[in-house]
Amino acid sequence: NAGVTQTPKFQVLKTGQSMTLQCAQDMNHEYMSWYRQDPGMGLRLIHYSVGAGITDQGEVPNGYNVSRSTTEDFPLRLLSAAPSQTSVYFCASNRRQSSYNSPLHFGNGTRLTVT
Amino acid sequence: RKEVEQDPGPFNVPEGATVAFNCTYSNSASQSFFWYRQDCRKEPKLLMSVYSSGNEDGRFTAQLNRASQYISLLIRDSKLSDSATYLCVVNQAGGFKTIFGAGTRLFVKA
Repeated sequence: NAGVTQTPKFQVLKTGQSMTLQCAQDMNHEYMSWYRQDPGMGLRLIHYSVGAGITDQGEVPNGYNVSRSTTEDFPLRLLSAAPSQTSVYFCASNRRQSSYNSPLHFGNGTRLTVT
Repeated sequence: RKEVEQDPGPFNVPEGATVAFNCTYSNSASQSFFWYRQDCRKEPKLLMSVYSSGNEDGRFTAQLNRASQYISLLIRDSKLSDSATYLCVVNQAGGFKTIFGAGTRLFVKA
C-alpha cells in the first residue's frame, strides 16, 4: 500500500515556466489537498477537492490550478512560476466521512525552487 | 492574529526530561484537534489526536481545554529520537478547513 505518492521530489524552474506536480493516492480517500510550507510558517492550504470533479480554493490559491478527474489523482499546476512560489509542496488525503475527525496522510513532498 | 499559535521554540532539553508544548486556537467552532510530528525535510505524520477528556499514548499526553481554546502536548522521559518539530492542527466541521500551527522545534540532547 503506497499511500500518497508525489512526484517529482525536487524541481528547479525558471521564472515564467509552467509545470505540474503529480499526486496520487491508493487509499480510496475522497478528500485530497495541496499545501505549501515556508520557513517559519505553518502549512498553508492551496487547493482542495472533496471528490472527483469537485475542487475549491484554499488560503493561497493564486498562481495555481488543480483538477480532479479521478478519485486517485490530484495534480497541481503552476501556470507561470514566480520566485515567491519557491517552497516545499505537500499533497495530502483523508476520508470524507467525519472528515474533520480524519487525520491527513501526506506525500513525501516536492521541493521547488524558482530562479 | 494567527488562527493557531504555537511557541516556535526551539526547546533544548536533555534526555529524560519532561517537556510541554502549548497551542492556542482562535475559532471556537473548531471541532477536532491533532498533534503532528515533522522531521527535518520530511512530511508531517500524525502523532496523536486530542480529545476533551485528555488522552495518552505511551510517553505522550495530550490535553484539550475548549473553554480556554488551548491544546497541550506533554512528552515524558524525552529520547534523542523525539527531536523534531511538533505541529498543532485544528479542524473545523462544515467544510474542509484544516489549520496548522507554525510548529515548535524540539532538540533532545544526550
